[in-house]
Amino acid sequence: KAGVTQTPRYLIKTRGQQVTLSCSPISGHRSVSWYQQTPGQGLQFLFEYFSETQRNKGNFPGRFSGRQFSNSRSEMNVSTLELGDSALYLCASQGGGGYNEQFFGPGTRLTVL
Amino acid sequence: QKEVEQNSGPLSVPEGAIASLNCTYSDRGSQSFFWYRQYSGKSPELIMSIYSNGDKEDGRFTAQLNKASQYVSLLIRDSQPSDSATYLCAVIGGSQGNLIFGKGTKLSVKP
Repeated sequence: KAGVTQTPRYLIKTRGQQVTLSCSPISGHRSVSWYQQTPGQGLQFLFEYFSETQRNKGNFPGRFSGRQFSNSRSEMNVSTLELGDSALYLCASQGGGGYNEQFFGPGTRLTVL
Repeated sequence: QKEVEQNSGPLSVPEGAIASLNCTYSDRGSQSFFWYRQYSGKSPELIMSIYSNGDKEDGRFTAQLNKASQYVSLLIRDSQPSDSATYLCAVIGGSQGNLIFGKGTKLSVKP
């Protein structure tokens, strides 16, 4: 079974630009969660999508948004980029069965200049 | 504010020894607990999940959960240099379904 894939793997943007990141979950998994990882704050939850609906949201500004498509693929968008948005963005795929195990993709390393 | 606390380390153990990693959490309603391993420059990899009080063993790894003390630990037996990584404790809270992570403990296994 293929794992979680994320594209692109690396991205360099300048302040004020916007960016879209993509995540394809494990086949059959319907939940996708997004996390931001920085050296100072660690791993922080952004939002979760399940069956094309945002089910849960972390404490991030409205510049961070996401969506999920009918094939469970998800995208997250960051508008008006700030230097502090430089981070590793991770998506995690979760299947059913009630065990809540989440499996991470390789991440997208975003650098904002 | 729901929190997960870990000793940041670094924790240094000799090869072949037992490494003990600890984690406490603040949300008494938490039901699901996980340990992830993260190598430098890589994404977190799920290595253990535990849902009930007591011990759960998987190969060289043993997870221990004590809900009364709000404490979860990971033991790594016969530690190998390849175990050198940052270990992240994660908890799913009682009221929300998202993972809450600790800052991680950096483990170094010396040959």
